[in-house]
Amino acid sequence: DAKTTQPPSMDCAEGRAANLPCNHSTISGNEYVYWYRQIHSQGPQYIIHGLKNNETNEMASLIITEDRKSSTLILPHATLRDTAVYYCIVRVAAGGTSYGKLTFGQGTILTVHP
Amino acid sequence: GAVVSQHPSWVICKSGTSVKIECRSLDFQATTMFWYRQFPKQSLMLMATSNEGSKATYEQGVEKDKFLINHASLTLSTLTVTSAHPEDSSFYICSAIGGGLLMNTEAFFGQGTRLTVV
Repeated sequence: DAKTTQPPSMDCAEGRAANLPCNHSTISGNEYVYWYRQIHSQGPQYIIHGLKNNETNEMASLIITEDRKSSTLILPHATLRDTAVYYCIVRVAAGGTSYGKLTFGQGTILTVHP
Repeated sequence: GAVVSQHPSWVICKSGTSVKIECRSLDFQATTMFWYRQFPKQSLMLMATSNEGSKATYEQGVEKDKFLINHASLTLSTLTVTSAHPEDSSFYICSAIGGGLLMNTEAFFGQGTRLTVV
């Protein structure tokens, strides 16, 4: 799986948008970008994933650059409960022996403050 | 999304004893389950991959005789930490992916098990 680079920490005011960047310059054509988050002492929670088009769901939006070498996760209206470690992971979506296997980096600690 | 449940959520055991952690997929059949370990202030590290009905595949550096994994059914995988020692104290997390309609989707994670060996 391609390596990703994320800032170690970020702050965001409650109610504002949180924009979390991720660099994945060595991403391959068949690799997707996945975002998970981990609230303290819990298992990771899936947020969103995409290949090359921008994606949006009820939790967040994912913006992937045209060259696919970086992406941004957007939490449109951050709340205190969004405080967590956010992981950007690049992997093949399906098939092969590595399907489902996730390689976690250090992630970004997002702190949402009042 | 699909639900993966781990049991117990936390456990304290004496050094030298064995501890079993269960990972269940509650509403889907998990063709593959993964076991991760997370030490304080560190990221998740994959320990092993288990497919139903076959032997688990362990990551480099993980002792297969110490961390026994059984995936006897499509909804249950167990991790047994044998002869536990204080250095095995950690947060153990499982994840599962499904087949059928759940193919090509994300992996679902359990809530984790906090193991403390005293």
